[in-house]
Amino acid sequence: SQTIHQWPATLVQPVGSPLSLECTVEGTSNPNLYWYRQAAGRGLQLLFYSVGIGQISSEVPQNLSASRPQDRQFILSSKKLLLSDSGFYLCARKLGPGELFFGEGSRLTVL
Amino acid sequence: EDQVTQSPEALRLQEGESSSLNCSYTVSGLRGLFWYRQDPGKGPEFLFTLYSAGEEKEKERLKATLTKKESFLHITAPKPEDSATYLCADQAGTALIFGKGTTLSVSS
Repeated sequence: SQTIHQWPATLVQPVGSPLSLECTVEGTSNPNLYWYRQAAGRGLQLLFYSVGIGQISSEVPQNLSASRPQDRQFILSSKKLLLSDSGFYLCARKLGPGELFFGEGSRLTVL
Repeated sequence: EDQVTQSPEALRLQEGESSSLNCSYTVSGLRGLFWYRQDPGKGPEFLFTLYSAGEEKEKERLKATLTKKESFLHITAPKPEDSATYLCADQAGTALIFGKGTTLSVSS
């Protein structure tokens, strides 16, 4: 079965604080993984994708970074959060062309 | 710039009242048009893939169709459990470009 664990599910952080969101995938090996952000009034925006350990591609310039230390682990980080970083962060793995399986998401509020 | 535009932004229907959602795309060299359903506070769930004009896919009360410039998601005799945000996306390189979605509310 496919499972994607994301944590924390919800967090509230002050501006300028660091961030670490974790995504762990079960039931597969060497998955293509993605980080998307869904901000209020905006569509899903691709932030990063990874085809393997240590391989990260960034789609948009920002103060966020991603790492893939293990095959099934994908981490989204920031050294200093901005108000504009608030949103719903979703980790996903690719099942096929255009078909993504999403996790339950992490909702971040930056105050 | 590649874009995906969905309309309307919100749609309210009575149970049993059929309607359609629209997705217009401008991505050159379309490599597929994809529909997703997203419930509040959840990640999107994949529904359909369409690759060529004239293609149709069905799942329960939903039917997705594709033309050269747009796709429609037809909802026949909707039920309250069909209430959700419906997203369409197309493929641009390695990324899926998502529209902002149509939020459907079906009341009994």
